[in-house]
Amino acid sequence: DGGITQSPKYLFRKEGQNVTLSCEQNLNHDAMYWYRQDPGQGLRLIYYSQIVNDFQKGDIAEGYSVSREKKESFPLTVTSAQKNPTAFYLCASSLPSGRDTGELFFGEGSRLTVL
Amino acid sequence: GENVEQHPSTLSVQEGDSAVIKCTYSDSASNYFPWYKQELGKRPQLIIDIRSNVGEKKDQRIAVTLNKTAKHFSLHITETQPEDSAVYFCAATPSSGSARQLTFGSGTQLTVLP
Repeated sequence: DGGITQSPKYLFRKEGQNVTLSCEQNLNHDAMYWYRQDPGQGLRLIYYSQIVNDFQKGDIAEGYSVSREKKESFPLTVTSAQKNPTAFYLCASSLPSGRDTGELFFGEGSRLTVL
Repeated sequence: GENVEQHPSTLSVQEGDSAVIKCTYSDSASNYFPWYKQELGKRPQLIIDIRSNVGEKKDQRIAVTLNKTAKHFSLHITETQPEDSAVYFCAATPSSGSARQLTFGSGTQLTVLP
């Protein structure tokens, strides 16, 4: 069953702790993305990666870090520097360059709550 | 950069009625306008999109219209059903071949009342 898998679905963390959200895809997509979703604010781009070992900051990258060591995996670390980390995080991928129609394929999301 | 505004933020309709959600965009270079549906607890999924070379696109009960002059586009759902209840997001990008440049609206919570 092809798709994007995010884990964990729910995560609680204490202030001052880093936490890593997992995103794995078996769609053979080159590009992967992390979005943050807050009520009434739509989806905001945190980081994206168009190829292994390369990634770019999105609109709200402060307090986050990513890595792209494998094509299938794009983990997001929410660091203690992120001032308001409680949110719903969505990972996505898109078709390879040249076939990219603009469509995003999303995972089911991870809800992070900072206590 | 691009700015996309979406209205209304919440919309309730009776089953069988029509629903209309509107978005405006700021960048006249935008040429690709997708709509995503996110059911409660599920992933957003593309339901329809339109490119700037057409003014309207239809797929069964859903349609999207685009007015490039006024820089707005709308989602129309006819004969609404309870399963249409979801959050709908519009988006715009100046490059139809680049998902990374998508700018999303703030979302509309549609509730279809039985």
